Formats: sequence, C-alpha cells, structure tokens
Amino acid sequence: KAGVTQTPRYLIKTRGQQVTLSCSPISGHRSVSWYQQTPGQGLQFLFEYFSETQRNKGNFPGRFSGRQFSNSRSEMNVSTLELGDSALYLCASSLVPTGLRNTEAFFGQGTRLTVV
Amino acid sequence: AQKITQTQPGMFVQEKEAVTLDCTYDTSDPSYGLFWYKQPSSGEMIFLIYQGSYDQQNATEGRYSLNFQKARKSANLVISASQLGDSAMYFCAMREGGIQGAQKLVFGQGTRLTINP
Repeated sequence: KAGVTQTPRYLIKTRGQQVTLSCSPISGHRSVSWYQQTPGQGLQFLFEYFSETQRNKGNFPGRFSGRQFSNSRSEMNVSTLELGDSALYLCASSLVPTGLRNTEAFFGQGTRLTVV
Repeated sequence: AQKITQTQPGMFVQEKEAVTLDCTYDTSDPSYGLFWYKQPSSGEMIFLIYQGSYDQQNATEGRYSLNFQKARKSANLVISASQLGDSAMYFCAMREGGIQGAQKLVFGQGTRLTINP
C-alpha cells in the first residue's frame, strides 16, 4: 500500500514568487491536512481538506491557500513568498473518524521550501 | 495555552536500554487521540503509535508502547531495547474531537533522542 506522496521534495524560490506543492494521500483516505515546520515555531497546522472542502484553517495569512481534488489529492499554494516562508511543509492523510474514535494520521516526506 | 508539553528537549541513552519520552496534554474534550511520531534528519514524520481517549488498554506497536495515564493527562512513549536507528526527533501530538472534529494535530516541541553505542 503506497504511502503519502509529496512533490517536489525540494524547492528554491525567490521572494515575491508563488509556489504550488502537491500531496497524494494514501488510497482510501479522504482527509488531507497541511503543516508548516520551522525551527522557531515548530509544527503548525495550516489547513485540512475533506471531500474537496476546507474544513479547518490555521492561523496563517491569506497568501496560504489550498484545494483538494475529487481523487483526494491536494495542492497547497503560497503567493508572494517571503523569506519567513522557508520551511518544511508536511502533508498528512487520514480516514475520516467514525463514531467517537479518532484515527491515525500518516505523513509524507515533506517538501523543503527555501525562499531566497 | 500549551496543549502538548514535552519537557525533555534532549535525551541521551545507551544502546539496548529502554527509554521513556514524556508527554503531557491539556484538553477538556472527552474524545481525543494521542500520537507519537519519529522524525529522522531526512524530515519525514514517521507514525509510531496511537492512543484513543476511549481505549481501555495502553497501545503497543512492536518495541513502542504508550503509557497512557488519563487522569494525569500524560501519554509517555516507551521504547524498549533502544537501537542506534532510534536516534531522531520525537513528537507527541493530539487531535481533539470525534466525528465532528477536524483532522488537526497539535504538536509538542519535540524531544531529540540520541542513542549512544
């Protein structure tokens, strides 16, 4: 069973540019979440998509956006890049909880974005 | 307010010894899940173990076990017979809410574990 796939693995962009990151969840998983990891702030939640709808959003500016397609693949877009956007961006996929039980979340290898 | 607290920034352990990584959490939601992840220098977050708030028994996965003390709101990870490959950052995380809950994980600051030969 294939895991969560994120592309590209590494990216270098200049300030002011925009970038699109991709995440393909585990087959059958319909929820995709995105996280930003930096040395200073740690791991922070960006947003979550389920059935092509954004269900929850973290405290990030509107330059950060995303979407989910009908096959559950998700993309994250960052416009007008700033130096502070340099980070490891991680995507996680999970089954939708049933009943009261939470379910496991599995991460991809991440995309390391460097803004220069 | 900090929801996940990992009080050990770094730990050094001899190979083959058992190690306990501490994690305390804060929530008023009766339905939540607790996760432990391992992050080697490559960056990938590797899922280790999961404990649901309604689970009656402590979770175990191979050499990993979770010491879940609900009343104390602690979810410590125990690694038995540590190996050199266990050297990595370890993160404790929590997700609140049941069927209506968003799939949002809140992470602790992590513990860097170093296994010495």
